[in-house]
Amino acid sequence: GNSVTQMEGPVTLSEEAFLTINCTYTATGYPSLFWYVQYPGEGLQLLLKATKADDKGSNKGFEATYRKETTSFHLEKGSVQVSDSAVYFCALSDRGDKLIFGTGTRLQVFP
Amino acid sequence: ETGVTQTPRHLVMGMTNKKSLKCEQHLGHNAMYWYKQSAKKPLELMFVYSLEERVENNSVPSRFSPECPNSSHLFLHLHTLQPEDSALYLCASSRNRGQETQYFGPGTRLLVL
Repeated sequence: GNSVTQMEGPVTLSEEAFLTINCTYTATGYPSLFWYVQYPGEGLQLLLKATKADDKGSNKGFEATYRKETTSFHLEKGSVQVSDSAVYFCALSDRGDKLIFGTGTRLQVFP
Repeated sequence: ETGVTQTPRHLVMGMTNKKSLKCEQHLGHNAMYWYKQSAKKPLELMFVYSLEERVENNSVPSRFSPECPNSSHLFLHLHTLQPEDSALYLCASSRNRGQETQYFGPGTRLLVL
């Protein structure tokens, strides 16, 4: 079945460091891929998405490229801020209704 | 995105209580969802409604009973819950079913004693 695998956290970085959070997926067909972010005490917010191979989603300095050859959708940011501290979820959507989520990766950014 | 609201934000209930969670979306969407988020587990899809009709129920125990009176409102009625049902319950909506982007509410943090 379809699944999403994320790197385990927490990821701890200093402000202005480079961020990579790995995400790989298993899916039949051509899923859409998403990154959601959950700030403390809040629900999930869509961060970015890509709907086909080689698409790059970007938002708020974050980027992720849909790599079909490696079945990956790694999240990157060139310079993180303390305000980026949150839990990040990778997800895929097949042609059904389900969003299939990874277990989430907690990011902690220190000044 | 603040188009999906949920009430209450926090709820504590005993195992014999009956309570309801409410979700409202102001986005004009046709599909709504209930998810359960437990610690150290992936989000679990519980129910899907499309145009007020339930289209998916992922083997959720009958102590959880959803209701969708119209396309803007979604309820989750709770009765005789167990402590392991304590979790964050998230509501989401999307324009239609399928590969549409889902927009989430802030969730209801539920504690069952």
